[in-house]
Amino acid sequence: AQRVTQPEKLLSVFKGAPVELKCNYSYSGSPELFWYVQYSRQRLQLLLRHISRESIKGFTADLNKGETSFHLKKPFAQEEDSAMYYCALSGHRTGANNLFFGTGTRLTVIP
Amino acid sequence: DAGITQSPRYKITETGRQVTLMCHQTWSHSYMFWYRQDLGHGLRLIYYSAAADITDKGEVPDGYVVSRSKTENFPLTLESATRSQTSVYFCATRGAGELFFGEGSRLTVL
Repeated sequence: AQRVTQPEKLLSVFKGAPVELKCNYSYSGSPELFWYVQYSRQRLQLLLRHISRESIKGFTADLNKGETSFHLKKPFAQEEDSAMYYCALSGHRTGANNLFFGTGTRLTVIP
Repeated sequence: DAGITQSPRYKITETGRQVTLMCHQTWSHSYMFWYRQDLGHGLRLIYYSAAADITDKGEVPDGYVVSRSKTENFPLTLESATRSQTSVYFCATRGAGELFFGEGSRLTVL
């Protein structure tokens, strides 16, 4: 069965410090990985997906198939990055259009 | 142009009552989803729909019923609400490989 693990429920960093939100997955096959973000009083929205290989708001995430990880990184955290972050997986076994979410990490950037 | 709207945004009900959460989209996306968000569990899929009149169970379907008579609407019904169904419910559609979420409906069952 598929599994998405986000080991940190809460993460606090100081402004300007590097931040890494961890995501590990378990899936037999080739999944598609995503990061979704929920800012305070806003809707959940897509931050980035591994197939696009983009940097969004300074965040990057690389799919490491050997370690089955998709960690989200940003070199210099900003206060506006404070939010709830969800790692998600999609693949043939989840139903091609279904996303399977991790439990989320709440990031707080301390001024 | 809200795209996807949910109602009500907040609802308090009592155990045993029937509750319906509404979801409406203006994009004509084929796929629609209902998730519940709980601390420690993240987002869990309740039901989804691939098109009008096609629905299927997700990870946690027990106690819920859905219908999709029209492409744009995907209501979620709790036939006899229980306290364990206190949660925030999110409706979503999928387009261009991305999920678009509603603002959520916070349901409290007393």
